[in-house]
Amino acid sequence: AQSVTQLDSHVSVSEGTPVLLRCNYSSSYSPSLFWYVQHPNKGLQLLLKYTSAATLVKGINGFEAEFKKSETSFHLTKPSAHMSDAAEYFCVVSADSNYQLIWGAGTKLIIKP
Amino acid sequence: SAVISQKPSRDICQRGTSLTIQCQVDSQVTMMFWYRQQPGQSLTLIATANQGSEATYESGFVIDKFPISRPNLTFSTLTVSNMSPEDSSIYLCSALAAQETQYFGPGTRLLVL
Repeated sequence: AQSVTQLDSHVSVSEGTPVLLRCNYSSSYSPSLFWYVQHPNKGLQLLLKYTSAATLVKGINGFEAEFKKSETSFHLTKPSAHMSDAAEYFCVVSADSNYQLIWGAGTKLIIKP
Repeated sequence: SAVISQKPSRDICQRGTSLTIQCQVDSQVTMMFWYRQQPGQSLTLIATANQGSEATYESGFVIDKFPISRPNLTFSTLTVSNMSPEDSSIYLCSALAAQETQYFGPGTRLLVL
C-alpha cells in the first residue's frame, strides 16, 4: 500500500532564503508523485509532477523537487522564498490502477518579512 | 490541464436539509472525484464518479448520505443529505485529465448550523 509522510507540519523561512519542504513516500512500485499548493481560501493548484522521467522535476513559480528512490523521498525546494509563497503544500502519491491520490498531512509554509 | 468550476462557492445551511454541489469541467474526462477537507486538514476522498456507472464510495461514506450523479463526461453533482454540523467542511471536486493528473475545482465551503 502507498503512503505519504510530510515531515514538518509548519516551516518558517525569511523572504529571500531557501525553502525545503520534506516528503517521504512508501510504495510497492514506481509511483507518480505530486506537489499541490493551496493558498488561503483558494483551490488546489498543481505545482509539479514526477512520473519516472527525469528525477529532478521543475514546477511553477520556481519550485522544483527531486525524486530519490534510495531515500524514498520527494522533497520540494525553492532557492529564494517570496511572500506570495505562503500557503499549505501537499505531497501526494498516486495509487496504482484507480488513479486515486494518497495525500500527505500538509506543510504550512510561513514567510517572514 | 482542465479548468473546473464549482457552484455554490459557499453556503450556510440548516441542519436536516440537503445541499447539491455542482462541478463543471471544461473538457470531457472519464474520471471525476469528490473530496472533503476539514478545516486545517488534508483531503479525504469521498467517492469516484465515472460516467455511465455507479459512483464508488470510500470507507466511511455511503450513497444515502452523499448521492452522486454523473450524467455526462463534463459534469457531476454531489449532494450532502440530512446535514448536521459535522458536515461543515470544504467539498472539492477534481477531474483526471491528461497525463493522469488530477485538477481541482475551487471548492465549496459549507457551514451547517
